[in-house]
Amino acid sequence: AQSVAQPEDQVNVAEGNPLTVKCTYSVSGNPYLFWYVQYPNRGLQFLLKYITGDNLVKGSYGFEAEFNKSQTSFHLKKPSALVSDSALYFCAVRDGAGNNNDMRFGAGTRLTVKP
Amino acid sequence: GAVVSQHPSRVICKSGTSVKIECRSLDFQATTMFWYRQFPKKSLMLMATSNEGSKATYEQGVEKDKFLINHASLTLSTLTVTSAHPEDSSFYICSAPSNRDYYGYTFGSGTRLTVV
Repeated sequence: AQSVAQPEDQVNVAEGNPLTVKCTYSVSGNPYLFWYVQYPNRGLQFLLKYITGDNLVKGSYGFEAEFNKSQTSFHLKKPSALVSDSALYFCAVRDGAGNNNDMRFGAGTRLTVKP
Repeated sequence: GAVVSQHPSRVICKSGTSVKIECRSLDFQATTMFWYRQFPKKSLMLMATSNEGSKATYEQGVEKDKFLINHASLTLSTLTVTSAHPEDSSFYICSAPSNRDYYGYTFGSGTRLTVV
């Protein structure tokens, strides 16, 4: 079964600095990879996805992620963090070769951007 | 884009009562919906998969009789927490596969359930 690991519970960065939120995955078939963001007491909002094509994926709010097949990673990045980026971030994976729609989430990483 | 409407957003109920949470796909048909439970500062735990026209599939350890799921139509799935207890207090989120191009899920805004 597919799985995702987010090794950091918490990431702290200063406003204006670059940020990285790490994610590694395990899947038997082709990985469909996603990043979602969650604000307090809200559902998940889609940021970006990798299905196929270019390894560097650009998404909402200036975020991007790089798919690295050899390292089975899909780290989320942003060149210049904003205080408003502070939220809970989830990496998720689906097995593209499977017939089911089962999506698995990482444990989440809480990003705090300080002024 | 695809929208999933979930309500209520917050509910407080007394122990022993039942609470119904609704999720509607507003602009697409959802033959499948997923129900998640999220504990504070924790990830989403898949509880069950609801399928229109058939029984829901529950994840291991989730009580079927406690968490009743009904997928009444192609746009509506409901989760009923029966005989609620304080330990059922949590944040519940539904989602549905939205469209082929997206490959991902569209999420409801979540329901904060507090059982007192």
